Amino acid sequence: QKEVEQNSGPLSVPEGAIASLNCTYSDRGSQSFFWYRQYSGKSPELIMSIYSNGDKEDGRFTAQLNKASQYVSLLIRDSQPSDSATYLCAVVGAGNMLTFGGGTRLMVKP
Amino acid sequence: DTGVSQDPRHKITKRGQNVTFRCDPISEHNRLYWYRQTLGQGPEFLTYFQNEAQLEKSRLLSDRFSAERPKGSFSTLEIQRTEQGDSAMYLCASRDTGGTEKLFFGSGTQLSVL
Repeated sequence: QKEVEQNSGPLSVPEGAIASLNCTYSDRGSQSFFWYRQYSGKSPELIMSIYSNGDKEDGRFTAQLNKASQYVSLLIRDSQPSDSATYLCAVVGAGNMLTFGGGTRLMVKP
Repeated sequence: DTGVSQDPRHKITKRGQNVTFRCDPISEHNRLYWYRQTLGQGPEFLTYFQNEAQLEKSRLLSDRFSAERPKGSFSTLEIQRTEQGDSAMYLCASRDTGGTEKLFFGSGTQLSVL
């Protein structure tokens, strides 16, 4: 079992819709959770971090964390074509290292 | 430019050759990480440094790989006797342990082993 798992997609949504991206992790001791966005041919950039159970909103992005279920999600409201990218879930677990999932490719169609 | 810089951006080499990559982190960042990423996969952790000390190395990392950060500033990653399976993007990232856990990534070095 991979430490951080994501559906590879592609997830296709129409412009203006809500995109929902999901991630599960295996280390119950994990305390820090991140979502990175990576455009094709570019390096990852941090878009959201979350540390406690519940929701955290930042503009059109909402991160959700459920430690009991070992589940993290990212919602993107009013999706735009410019949101088309690969979204990487990352978790700080044992050894204080950041472990990435395989990423979900999001396609927002005009 | 005060971001993380990596050199070279692209490297093409023949199987069996040695290659070395350089990473210059953001100057005040004491922690430096190396990741490897292949197409369609997320970044895979290789190793990290706290100042000049190498604190962790992935158990999946072959002994053909070695990294240094001699003065706690820039870092080098060397791959000896390259194999075609080493072809990947090598990403460097840095952060300040006194601040948030946000990693700042460089643009990466794309390695192609022929």
